[in-house]
Amino acid sequence: KAGVTQTPRYLIKTRGQQVTLSCSPISGHRSVSWYQQTPGQGLQFLFEYFSETQRNKGNFPGRFSGRQFSNSRSEMNVSTLELGDSALYLCASSPQGDNEQFFGPGTRLTVL
Amino acid sequence: QKEVEQDPGPLSVPEGAIVSLNCTYSNSAFQYFMWYRQYSRKGPELLMYTYSSGNKEDGRFTAQVDKSSKYISLFIRDSQPSDSATYLCAMSPYSSASKIIFGSGTRLSIRP
Repeated sequence: KAGVTQTPRYLIKTRGQQVTLSCSPISGHRSVSWYQQTPGQGLQFLFEYFSETQRNKGNFPGRFSGRQFSNSRSEMNVSTLELGDSALYLCASSPQGDNEQFFGPGTRLTVL
Repeated sequence: QKEVEQDPGPLSVPEGAIVSLNCTYSNSAFQYFMWYRQYSRKGPELLMYTYSSGNKEDGRFTAQVDKSSKYISLFIRDSQPSDSATYLCAMSPYSSASKIIFGSGTRLSIRP
């Protein structure tokens, strides 16, 4: 079975721009969660999608949004980028949204 | 004070040594405990998943949970250079992706 894939792997943007990241979960997994990983804050939960609906949301501003498609693929969008948004963005999938998460390789976003 | 505390290291040990990695936590509601391994430029990979107190063994890896002390450990026997990575503990009160709290990670290096 193919693992979780994320595109692109690396991205460089400037402040004020917006960005869209993509995640394809493991086949059959209906839950996709997004996390932000930084050296200072570690891994922080952004949101979870299940069957095209946002089921849970972490403590991030509204500039961070996402969606899930009928094939369970998910995208997250960050608008009006700030320098502090530079991070590794990880997507994880699980069959039903439980604790056994399978992570993708991440998208490394650099905001200049 | 963070809910989950983990010594960031780095921890350097010779090949073949027994490695002990630890986390402490403050939330007595945590019932699910996980250990992830993260190689450089990769996403976290689930190593061990336990529920409540006790030990769980999988090959060279043993996870221990002591809920009375709010302390969890991961032991690696016969450590190999390929075990060099960052190890993240994670825990959750429920089986829910949105409630997982991650430790900041311990960087481990195994010297040949």
